[in-house]
Amino acid sequence: EAQVTQNPRYLITVTGKKLTVTCSQNMNHEYMSWYRQDPGLGLRQIYYSMNVEVTDKGDVPEGYKVSRKEKRNFPLILESPSPNQTSLYFCASSSSRTGAQETQYFGPGTRLLVL
Amino acid sequence: GEDVEQSLFLSVREGDSSVINCTYTDSSSTYLYWYKQEPGAGLQLLTYIFSNMDMKQDQRLTVLLNKKDKHLSLRIADTQTGDSAIYFCAESMGGYQKVTFGTGTKLQVIP
Repeated sequence: EAQVTQNPRYLITVTGKKLTVTCSQNMNHEYMSWYRQDPGLGLRQIYYSMNVEVTDKGDVPEGYKVSRKEKRNFPLILESPSPNQTSLYFCASSSSRTGAQETQYFGPGTRLLVL
Repeated sequence: GEDVEQSLFLSVREGDSSVINCTYTDSSSTYLYWYKQEPGAGLQLLTYIFSNMDMKQDQRLTVLLNKKDKHLSLRIADTQTGDSAIYFCAESMGGYQKVTFGTGTKLQVIP
């Protein structure tokens, strides 16, 4: 079954404690991205990756890091989380030969609370 | 910067048509998308339209694009209770360029 998985699904942590949210896809997609969803703000892109070792900033990259060492995995790293990073996070992947991201798949989301 | 705006809420009766509207500011947008998010779930890409098209129809869904006014709409014919969700409009310059999302419109379908 084609899918994007994220772990953990729920996380409560404290300010300053480094954490990693994993994202994995089994569709051999080149393109992966991370979004955060906040009430009244919709989804905002944090980082995206066009292929292995190729990443770029989205709209709200501050406080986040990513890596793309393997095609299937695209972890999101919060080196020193702060309460304003409390949010719902989505990972997405797609393989778009036409450029329209027609086959974009989203993960189930990770709800993060930073105290 | 780019901005994509939607109304926050729409309520319709089952069987009626729903029309969800969206405006965007980036005239260089090449692709415009509609996503659906059901409660507790991720986003599902419903449909997309190229900027050189005026309309696209896919079963019960009709997308209309007015490029001059930078206005996009999603019409759902014969709306069902299963259509209750949040609908996001989004735009992109295409390929692997970033996607900018609107704030989402919550559609409530009344039986």
